[in-house]
Amino acid sequence: EDQVTQSPEALRLQEGESSSLNCSYTVSGLRGLFWYRQDPGKGPEFLFTLYSAGEEKEKERLKATLTKKESFLHITAPKPEDSATYLCAVQGPGAGSYQLTFGKGTKLSVIP
Amino acid sequence: GAGVSQSPSNKVTEKGKDVELRCDPISGHTALYWYRQSLGQGLEFLIYFQGNSAPDKSGLPSDRFSAERTGGSVSTLTIQRTQQEDSAVYLCASSVTTNSPLHFGNGTRLTVT
Repeated sequence: EDQVTQSPEALRLQEGESSSLNCSYTVSGLRGLFWYRQDPGKGPEFLFTLYSAGEEKEKERLKATLTKKESFLHITAPKPEDSATYLCAVQGPGAGSYQLTFGKGTKLSVIP
Repeated sequence: GAGVSQSPSNKVTEKGKDVELRCDPISGHTALYWYRQSLGQGLEFLIYFQGNSAPDKSGLPSDRFSAERTGGSVSTLTIQRTQQEDSAVYLCASSVTTNSPLHFGNGTRLTVT
C-alpha cells in the first residue's frame, strides 16, 4: 500500500526566512510525485510533478526536489502570500495508477 | 478559461436524507475524479471516470455512495441515507488524460446534523 508522510504538520516562518517541507513516501514503482497548494476554502492547486530521483522543478520562490525516498519543497525568502497548506501526492504503478495517494499536508504560515 | 465548477459550495442536511453533489469539469478533460477530504486527513480517492469506460468505484466507502457521469461531462455524486461520518469536503477534479495533473474544484462542504 502506498504511503505518504509530510512533515512538519505546521510551520511558521518570518517573511524572508527560507525553509523546506518534507514528503516521505513508500510506493512500489513511482510514476509521479505531485505537489499542490491549498488555500482555505479552496481546492488544491497544482504546482509540480516530479518523475525520477534527482529531478528538480522551480516556480518563483518554490523549488521541488526528489530522491528515491522523499521529496522536498524548498521555499526561498517566503512572503505572506505563500501562506497555505502544501500537499504531496504519489502516483504508483499498475492499472489503478490514477488513484493518487495524498499526505495530510503541511500548513505554512508566513508572518510579515 | 473556466475551471472545475462544483455545486453547491455548502450543504447542510439531516441524518438519513439523500444528497446530490454536482461537478462540471474543464471542457475537453476526459478524466474525472471524486475525492473526499475529512478534517485532519489526507484526500481520499472515491471514484474515477475516463471517457466511455466503466468507472472505477473501488474507493466508494459504502453502497450508500454512487456517482454517474453523463455525456462524458457533468458528474453527480449521490449519498443516500447520510450519516454524520459523511461530513467532509467533497472535491471533484478533472485532467486532460489519466497521467496529466489534476485540476480541482473548490469542493462541496457537506455537514450532516
